[in-house]
Amino acid sequence: DVQVLDSGGGLVQPGGSLRLSCAASGFTFRSYAMSWVRQAPGKGLEWVSTVSGSGTTTYYADSVKGRFTISRDNSKNTVYLQMNSLRPDDTAVYYCAKSDTLGGNYFDYWGQGTLVTVSS
Amino acid sequence: DIQMTQSPSTLSASVGDRVTITCRASRGINSWLAWYQQKPGKAPRLLIYKASTLESGVPSRFSGSGSGTEFTLTIISLQPDDFATYYCQQYDSYSRTFGQGTKVELK
Repeated sequence: DVQVLDSGGGLVQPGGSLRLSCAASGFTFRSYAMSWVRQAPGKGLEWVSTVSGSGTTTYYADSVKGRFTISRDNSKNTVYLQMNSLRPDDTAVYYCAKSDTLGGNYFDYWGQGTLVTVSS
Repeated sequence: DIQMTQSPSTLSASVGDRVTITCRASRGINSWLAWYQQKPGKAPRLLIYKASTLESGVPSRFSGSGSGTEFTLTIISLQPDDFATYYCQQYDSYSRTFGQGTKVELK
């Protein structure tokens, strides 16, 4: 069975940094893009970033470009989201999601989510 | 970025009703559209991709249609388990975008 387990959330001060991790299993990890999608409290879903199966291609939402970095370690079946210069409006549940293809289109398996709170 | 607009934002319905949710794209996206269901405190669940292809394990009472800029999600006979929030998502552009969501609540 496919499993996606995201972790690493917590409370961080504005301007601080945090790294989220996502461990996946049950599929050929390197063959699929992986993504992060977030949801602010009481709000809708917002795509954040996608990394291709090989890790060589990355995409970011304008709202996080230059502050967040997505990466993956295919030897560990793990994807990361390094978040720097955090702002209060980055407060959200962050979901890791497996994409349907090497390049990533839609999201067919999701983690349970990890809460990031940016507050002083 | 491609903007996705869902209507209505909230829909009140009864068990057994036929329910239709609309999603409009700010420009043509062919059939590169997915639908998700989300319940409170849970991760979204993929229902439909490529506008009309049902994901494995999703009940056949769910269906999707449309292409270009206008799409619909239909539930032909609403069941108690279907009260949730539904989102569309385009994947024509590499900047993926979601609709704002449609909450289906009990009338």
